Amino acid sequence: DGGITQSPKYLFRKEGQNVTLSCEQNLNHDAMYWYRQDPGQGLRLIYYSQIVNDFQKGDIAEGYSVSREKKESFPLTVTSAQKNPTAFYLCASGYGQNYEQYFGPGTRLTVT
Amino acid sequence: AQSVTQLDSHVSVSEGTPVLLRCNYSSSYSPSLFWYVQHPNKGLQLLLKYTSAATLVKGINGFEAEFKKSETSFHLTKPSAHMSDAAEYFCVVSDRSGGGADGLTFGKGTHLIIQP
Repeated sequence: DGGITQSPKYLFRKEGQNVTLSCEQNLNHDAMYWYRQDPGQGLRLIYYSQIVNDFQKGDIAEGYSVSREKKESFPLTVTSAQKNPTAFYLCASGYGQNYEQYFGPGTRLTVT
Repeated sequence: AQSVTQLDSHVSVSEGTPVLLRCNYSSSYSPSLFWYVQHPNKGLQLLLKYTSAATLVKGINGFEAEFKKSETSFHLTKPSAHMSDAAEYFCVVSDRSGGGADGLTFGKGTHLIIQP
């Protein structure tokens, strides 16, 4: 899991509530990423950021929001607009586009 | 555009026998290729990477992969499986063209089962 931490490991929320997942890295990487993982579907990119105060939507950004105020931190908010938020969420960081990424341990979110 | 296909969703081998996980890719440019491993409820760990140097790449835990441009393949192998190898394995491609939001495309994964 390297120098990337995600908290909490498990998170439970009621439907209609926003929830924020934490991701911190001490690898001095410029780029950070959020992925969603569902059984049998691999990883799908939600948002990514190549530099502080800038971020771009990935393939499934609807119902999610992010911020990148510090190089070390890239929190993800799962909003009530996300229709199926229950999933395993993985944060990653890297040197930038086309280089390998380093992953955190993940947060399993359950919404009921 | 780039894509990656992991040919088997599940592979089952006996402990001590060879492992072969198959991956084919499609890329318009000279690709970088990676294999990651994920144990249950854990993040992904980089096993090995190919970035246009030697075509036979050695990784951690005795795994290796061979880049074959003519076959557009990057299969992962290990001579002798260990119980601790049981996990999900992902093949990942980047063609350095900027295709895709972050330049990386993940396969859907192969679940490796080790029989005692």
